Amino acid sequence: NAGVTQTPKFQVLKTGQSMTLQCAQDMNHEYMSWYRQDPGMGLRLIHYSVGAGITDQGEVPNGYNVSRSTTEDFPLRLLSAAPSQTSVYFCASSYSRFSPNSDNEQFFGPGTRLTVL
Amino acid sequence: AQKITQTQPGMFVQEKEAVTLDCTYDTSDPSYGLFWYKQPSSGEMIFLIYQGSYDQQNATEGRYSLNFQKARKSANLVISASQLGDSAMYFCAMREPYGQNFVFGPGTRLSVLP
Repeated sequence: NAGVTQTPKFQVLKTGQSMTLQCAQDMNHEYMSWYRQDPGMGLRLIHYSVGAGITDQGEVPNGYNVSRSTTEDFPLRLLSAAPSQTSVYFCASSYSRFSPNSDNEQFFGPGTRLTVL
Repeated sequence: AQKITQTQPGMFVQEKEAVTLDCTYDTSDPSYGLFWYKQPSSGEMIFLIYQGSYDQQNATEGRYSLNFQKARKSANLVISASQLGDSAMYFCAMREPYGQNFVFGPGTRLSVLP
């Protein structure tokens, strides 16, 4: 199993450019999510999905779009990049059905370091 | 309202000693899960340990244990016999059944001194 894969690992954009961060998982997880990590702020949820065709906003969704056409893939689109979107982006996946009696931890991709000039 | 609080931005510990990283959480749901993740300087997120809200015993995984005090809503991570490789950021996180999302704390940076 490859687990959760993300591409690219590094990206530099100019203000106003658009791009898509790719995320894929091969564990048949229903739940997938995107986070951004900024110094001192932990991980903040951007968007998430509980299954193919279902997406919803997290804590910081502005400036980002997502779609979930398959169970495996969950791309994140930056519509018009801004310097405030300079961050490290993590994609993660887990089983949707939560039970406190089982681990059901999130598995993370390696992250994408994005710089917007 | 912040759901996960980690009050120690940075911690130092001597190699081979034990260290406790604090985490308090806020939820009104009786059913939830608590997680600890490690993020070394290389950047990846590594799952360490899990505690379910109904677990009667504290979770343990090798040198990691979770000091779960439900009434105080705290889930502190204890690392025994610290090693240089334990130097990293440590994140506490919670998952509630409703909404299915995970909420992360701001993290604690642990430095292990030789």
